[in-house]
Amino acid sequence: GQNIDQPTEMTATEGAIVQINCTYQTSGFNGLFWYQQHAGEAPTFLSYNVLDGLEEKGRFSSFLSRSKGYSYLLLKELQMKDSASYLCAVRDSGANNLFFGTGTRLTVIP
Amino acid sequence: ETGVTQSPTHLIKTRGQQVTLRCSSQSGHNTVSWYQQALGQGPQFIFQYYREEENGRGNFPPRFSGLQFPNYSSELNVNALELDDSALYLCASHANTGELFFGEGSRLTVL
Repeated sequence: GQNIDQPTEMTATEGAIVQINCTYQTSGFNGLFWYQQHAGEAPTFLSYNVLDGLEEKGRFSSFLSRSKGYSYLLLKELQMKDSASYLCAVRDSGANNLFFGTGTRLTVIP
Repeated sequence: ETGVTQSPTHLIKTRGQQVTLRCSSQSGHNTVSWYQQALGQGPQFIFQYYREEENGRGNFPPRFSGLQFPNYSSELNVNALELDDSALYLCASHANTGELFFGEGSRLTVL
């Protein structure tokens, strides 16, 4: 089975940096994804990690440690439009579907 | 824009009724997955279709069924609707890279 944990809610200030953590326990592993979802909208792809280490893409970075079953999403220079839910998802080995955590609702305040 | 379109966007049904939700995938994507997202929760995997065959299923009862057509569009059917079926239903088209492209979803309310 799969178990994916992430904080339910976080609040951060505009211009600051925030780190959203995700821990997972899965029967198999073939990559970890982060998605952003604004209220009432579809999830949109942010990042993908399959090997250990940091992947950087503009203001967003994602880190993976497979031995620890741990990932984080780092958002820099926060903007008000970054207020959204951030979903951590693991792809099972041999399967081609994703298992999602409950999501972290981030609120950016002025 | 993900190139994945779903219909209808919103609908209201009553308990016991049946519903069909539709999805048009990105061109060339032969794999589609359906997810159920309850309010405040992450998407839950319902099932996946690859080349018109079911190719994996999550923990959902048989009254949740699907179809995929030769043009790779697909349907999700739910029979004997229950109040707990109220949710956002997301269709996701699979790229060869493994990334999923989601549609905007169909929001179902069961009264």
